[in-house]
Amino acid sequence: NAGVTQTPKFRVLKTGQSMTLLCAQDMNHEYMYWYRQDPGMGLRLIHYSVGEGTTAKGEVPDGYNVSRLKKQNFLLGLESAAPSQTSVYFCASSYPDRAYEQYFGPGTRLTVT
Amino acid sequence: GQSLEQPSEVTAVEGAIVQINCTYQTSGFYGLSWYQQHDGGAPTFLSYNALDGLEETGRFSSFLSRSDSYGYLLLQELQMKDSASYFCAVRGGETNTGFQKLVFGTGTRLLVSP
Repeated sequence: NAGVTQTPKFRVLKTGQSMTLLCAQDMNHEYMYWYRQDPGMGLRLIHYSVGEGTTAKGEVPDGYNVSRLKKQNFLLGLESAAPSQTSVYFCASSYPDRAYEQYFGPGTRLTVT
Repeated sequence: GQSLEQPSEVTAVEGAIVQINCTYQTSGFYGLSWYQQHDGGAPTFLSYNALDGLEETGRFSSFLSRSDSYGYLLLQELQMKDSASYFCAVRGGETNTGFQKLVFGTGTRLLVSP
């Protein structure tokens, strides 16, 4: 089992460009999450999904959109990147009754210039 | 809302015992999780406490006091590979949807020296 995978691992964008981060999990988890991690600020929830076709906003959703067309995939989109979105992005997944135990992907390091 | 406090850095020597504290303020508290993250790596789950008391998993133990809104992670027989950041995370409820999100603390960096 690959667990949770993320692509790409690194990306540099110019301000105003768009991109999509892909997350895939092979553990048949219902719940999936997108977090961003900035120095000294821990992990902050951007968006989450409790099942295929459903998404909801987390703590810091502005500037991001998500889609969950298939149970195993969760996409994070940046329509018009800004320097404030420079961060490390982590995808995670979990079972609904064990949401306290999340499995994280390796992360995507994004720099917006 | 939810907020958590944990020390920014702790240092210890190999073989020692270290305790990382976490205090929290939250509504709709369900439990406290702990995660480990090595530099450049992904967070990995260590333990979870929903009830008061001590949970032991090998060299690591986690404690919760709901009445004090306080928990700690105890690491025994420290090894160099334990040098990492440790995050506490509160599991809380969103009353309108029932979804129980995790809110993470800012992390404690543990440095283990020989």
